[in-house]
Amino acid sequence: NAGVMQNPRHLVRRRGQEARLRCSPMKGHSHVYWYRQLPEEGLKFMVYLQKENIIDESGMPKERFSAEFPKEGPSILRIQQVVRGDSAAYFCASSPQGQKSYEQYFGPGTRLTVT
Amino acid sequence: QQPVQSPQAVILREGEDAVINCSSSKALYSVHWYRQKHGEAPVFLMILLKGGEQKGHDKISASFNEKKQQSSLYLTASQLSYSGTYFCGTVPTANTDKLIFGTGTRLQVFP
Repeated sequence: NAGVMQNPRHLVRRRGQEARLRCSPMKGHSHVYWYRQLPEEGLKFMVYLQKENIIDESGMPKERFSAEFPKEGPSILRIQQVVRGDSAAYFCASSPQGQKSYEQYFGPGTRLTVT
Repeated sequence: QQPVQSPQAVILREGEDAVINCSSSKALYSVHWYRQKHGEAPVFLMILLKGGEQKGHDKISASFNEKKQQSSLYLTASQLSYSGTYFCGTVPTANTDKLIFGTGTRLQVFP
Protein backbone atom coordinates (compact mmCIF):
# COMPACT_ATOMS: atom_id res chain seq x y z
CA ASN A 1 0.00 0.00 0.00
CA ALA A 2 1.65 3.20 -1.18
CA GLY A 3 2.02 5.91 1.39
CA VAL A 4 1.06 9.55 1.08
CA MET A 5 2.69 11.01 -2.01
CA GLN A 6 3.62 14.60 -2.58
CA ASN A 7 5.09 16.26 -5.59
CA PRO A 8 7.19 17.98 -6.40
CA ARG A 9 9.62 17.29 -3.57
CA HIS A 10 11.45 20.52 -4.23
CA LEU A 11 10.07 23.60 -5.93
CA VAL A 12 11.84 26.84 -6.72
CA ARG A 13 9.79 29.87 -7.68
CA ARG A 14 10.60 33.51 -8.24
CA ARG A 15 8.67 36.16 -6.40
CA GLY A 16 5.32 36.73 -8.04
CA GLN A 17 5.00 33.28 -9.60
CA GLU A 18 2.48 30.62 -8.66
CA ALA A 19 3.27 27.44 -6.76
CA ARG A 20 1.10 24.32 -7.02
CA LEU A 21 1.73 21.53 -4.55
CA ARG A 22 0.11 18.14 -4.97
CA CYS A 23 -0.80 15.49 -2.44
CA SER A 24 -2.17 12.02 -3.08
CA PRO A 25 -3.50 10.48 0.15
CA MET A 26 -3.09 6.86 1.11
CA LYS A 27 -5.49 4.48 -0.56
CA GLY A 28 -8.79 4.47 1.26
CA HIS A 29 -8.15 7.77 3.06
CA SER A 30 -10.65 10.52 2.42
CA HIS A 31 -9.32 13.13 4.84
CA VAL A 32 -6.41 15.37 3.88
CA TYR A 33 -4.59 17.95 5.96
CA TRP A 34 -1.98 20.51 4.94
CA TYR A 35 0.70 21.88 7.26
CA ARG A 36 3.48 24.43 6.85
CA GLN A 37 6.79 24.17 8.61
CA LEU A 38 9.35 26.96 8.69
CA PRO A 39 13.00 26.01 9.31
CA GLU A 40 13.61 24.95 12.90
CA GLU A 41 9.95 25.46 13.79
CA GLY A 42 6.91 23.29 14.40
CA LEU A 43 4.08 22.30 12.11
CA LYS A 44 1.33 24.84 11.59
CA PHE A 45 -2.11 23.63 10.54
CA MET A 46 -3.34 25.22 7.34
CA VAL A 47 -6.42 23.41 6.05
CA TYR A 48 -8.45 20.22 6.37
CA LEU A 49 -10.33 18.81 3.40
CA GLN A 50 -12.49 15.90 2.47
CA LYS A 51 -13.40 15.03 -1.09
CA GLU A 52 -14.86 18.16 -2.73
CA ASN A 53 -15.21 19.90 0.63
CA ILE A 54 -13.12 22.27 2.69
CA ILE A 55 -13.88 21.39 6.30
CA ASP A 56 -11.60 23.79 8.17
CA GLU A 57 -9.39 26.44 6.58
CA SER A 58 -8.77 28.50 9.70
CA GLY A 59 -5.00 28.19 9.30
CA MET A 60 -4.86 29.45 5.72
CA PRO A 61 -3.65 32.99 5.05
CA LYS A 62 -6.56 35.09 3.85
CA GLU A 63 -4.98 35.97 0.52
CA ARG A 64 -3.03 34.12 -2.17
CA PHE A 65 -3.53 30.64 -0.66
CA SER A 66 -6.17 28.16 -1.72
CA ALA A 67 -6.69 24.42 -1.47
CA GLU A 68 -8.88 21.86 -3.11
CA PHE A 69 -9.47 18.13 -3.03
CA PRO A 70 -11.47 17.20 -6.13
CA LYS A 71 -13.53 14.09 -6.58
CA GLU A 72 -10.83 12.68 -8.80
CA GLY A 73 -7.14 13.37 -8.47
CA PRO A 74 -4.84 14.71 -5.80
CA SER A 75 -5.36 17.51 -3.34
CA ILE A 76 -3.77 20.76 -4.50
CA LEU A 77 -2.38 23.57 -2.41
CA ARG A 78 -2.01 26.67 -4.54
CA ILE A 79 -0.02 29.74 -3.65
CA GLN A 80 -0.38 32.71 -5.94
CA GLN A 81 2.14 35.53 -6.29
CA VAL A 82 4.64 33.88 -3.97
CA VAL A 83 6.79 35.98 -1.65
CA ARG A 84 10.04 35.11 0.14
CA GLY A 85 8.12 34.48 3.36
CA ASP A 86 6.32 31.57 1.69
CA SER A 87 9.57 29.59 1.63
CA ALA A 88 8.95 26.57 3.85
CA ALA A 89 8.30 22.86 3.86
CA TYR A 90 4.69 21.99 3.14
CA PHE A 91 3.49 18.65 4.40
CA CYS A 92 0.23 16.95 3.73
CA ALA A 93 -1.18 14.13 5.80
CA SER A 94 -4.09 11.79 5.38
CA SER A 95 -6.24 9.74 7.69
CA PRO A 96 -9.01 7.21 7.13
CA GLN A 97 -11.42 9.24 9.23
CA GLY A 98 -11.25 12.39 11.32
CA GLN A 99 -7.86 12.73 12.96
CA LYS A 100 -9.24 13.52 16.38
CA SER A 101 -9.34 9.77 16.95
CA TYR A 102 -7.16 8.40 14.21
CA GLU A 103 -3.51 8.59 13.36
CA GLN A 104 -2.51 10.51 10.30
CA TYR A 105 0.19 9.60 7.84
CA PHE A 106 2.46 12.28 6.50
CA GLY A 107 3.85 12.64 3.03
CA PRO A 108 7.54 13.46 2.45
CA GLY A 109 6.81 17.15 2.03
CA THR A 110 7.44 19.77 -0.65
CA ARG A 111 10.27 22.19 0.03
CA LEU A 112 9.35 25.51 -1.53
CA THR A 113 12.07 28.08 -2.09
CA VAL A 114 11.15 31.54 -3.29
CA THR A 115 14.00 33.50 -4.84
CA GLN B 1 -3.48 28.09 21.56
CA GLN B 2 -0.34 26.13 20.80
CA PRO B 3 0.52 23.45 23.38
CA VAL B 4 3.78 24.06 25.22
CA GLN B 5 6.34 21.30 25.40
CA SER B 6 9.09 20.92 27.94
CA PRO B 7 11.96 20.62 27.96
CA GLN B 8 12.88 22.34 24.70
CA ALA B 9 15.91 20.10 24.25
CA VAL B 10 17.32 16.95 25.82
CA ILE B 11 20.73 15.35 25.46
CA LEU B 12 21.07 11.71 26.47
CA ARG B 13 23.54 8.89 26.45
CA GLU B 14 22.35 5.60 25.02
CA GLY B 15 20.40 3.69 27.64
CA GLU B 16 19.21 6.73 29.57
CA ASP B 17 15.59 7.69 30.08
CA ALA B 18 13.72 10.87 29.19
CA VAL B 19 10.31 12.42 29.76
CA ILE B 20 8.77 14.99 27.44
CA ASN B 21 5.77 16.97 28.61
CA CYS B 22 2.99 18.63 26.65
CA SER B 23 0.68 21.15 28.32
CA SER B 24 -2.39 22.82 26.91
CA SER B 25 -4.34 25.82 28.15
CA LYS B 26 -7.49 24.25 26.71
CA ALA B 27 -9.40 21.09 27.45
CA LEU B 28 -8.23 18.15 25.41
CA TYR B 29 -10.07 15.42 23.56
CA SER B 30 -7.03 13.63 22.23
CA VAL B 31 -3.27 13.92 22.16
CA HIS B 32 -1.01 12.66 19.38
CA TRP B 33 2.75 12.16 19.51
CA TYR B 34 5.06 12.33 16.50
CA ARG B 35 8.80 12.14 15.95
CA GLN B 36 10.49 14.02 13.13
CA LYS B 37 14.05 13.52 12.01
CA HIS B 38 15.84 16.36 10.29
CA GLY B 39 14.66 16.85 6.73
CA GLU B 40 12.05 14.11 6.99
CA ALA B 41 8.32 13.85 7.53
CA PRO B 42 6.85 13.42 11.01
CA VAL B 43 6.22 9.82 11.98
CA PHE B 44 3.27 8.82 14.12
CA LEU B 45 4.10 7.32 17.53
CA MET B 46 0.80 7.06 19.35
CA ILE B 47 -2.55 8.65 20.04
CA LEU B 48 -4.26 8.96 23.43
CA LEU B 49 -7.95 9.61 23.73
CA LYS B 50 -9.88 11.31 26.48
CA GLY B 51 -10.11 9.01 29.47
CA GLY B 52 -6.70 9.32 31.13
CA GLU B 53 -5.23 6.30 29.44
CA GLN B 54 -1.67 5.27 29.16
CA LYS B 55 -0.29 3.67 26.06
CA GLY B 56 2.98 2.22 25.03
CA HIS B 57 4.90 0.01 22.74
CA ASP B 58 8.42 -1.21 23.11
CA LYS B 59 10.28 1.33 25.23
CA ILE B 60 8.14 4.36 24.37
CA SER B 61 4.96 5.05 26.31
CA ALA B 62 2.72 8.00 27.04
CA SER B 63 0.13 9.14 29.52
CA PHE B 64 -2.76 11.59 29.25
CA ASN B 65 -4.16 13.50 32.20
CA GLU B 66 -7.20 15.31 30.88
CA LYS B 67 -7.86 17.11 34.18
CA LYS B 68 -4.45 18.71 34.07
CA GLN B 69 -4.66 19.10 30.29
CA GLN B 70 -1.29 17.42 30.00
CA SER B 71 0.36 14.50 28.32
CA SER B 72 3.79 13.02 28.88
CA LEU B 73 5.93 10.87 26.61
CA TYR B 74 8.30 8.43 28.31
CA LEU B 75 11.40 7.15 26.53
CA THR B 76 13.21 4.39 28.39
CA ALA B 77 16.61 2.89 27.65
CA SER B 78 17.03 5.33 24.77
CA GLN B 79 18.59 4.23 21.52
CA LEU B 80 20.47 6.26 18.92
CA SER B 81 17.43 5.95 16.65
CA TYR B 82 15.36 7.94 19.14
CA SER B 83 17.13 11.15 18.14
CA GLY B 84 14.88 13.70 16.52
CA THR B 85 12.32 16.34 17.37
CA TYR B 86 9.22 15.19 19.21
CA PHE B 87 5.93 16.98 18.72
CA CYS B 88 2.69 16.56 20.55
CA GLY B 89 -0.50 17.42 18.71
CA THR B 90 -3.75 18.21 20.49
CA VAL B 91 -7.41 18.13 19.53
CA PRO B 92 -9.57 20.16 21.94
CA THR B 93 -13.01 18.64 21.41
CA ALA B 94 -14.81 15.85 19.63
CA ASN B 95 -16.34 18.45 17.32
CA THR B 96 -13.17 19.24 15.45
CA ASP B 97 -10.48 17.33 13.59
CA LYS B 98 -7.99 20.17 13.69
CA LEU B 99 -4.69 19.09 15.21
CA ILE B 100 -2.57 21.79 16.84
CA PHE B 101 1.07 20.86 17.18
CA GLY B 102 3.21 21.78 20.16
CA THR B 103 6.44 23.73 20.28
CA GLY B 104 8.61 20.63 19.90
CA THR B 105 11.35 18.96 21.94
CA ARG B 106 14.69 18.20 20.33
CA LEU B 107 16.20 14.95 21.59
CA GLN B 108 19.77 13.91 20.88
CA VAL B 109 21.08 10.51 21.91
CA PHE B 110 24.82 9.93 21.90
CA PRO B 111 26.70 6.62 22.15
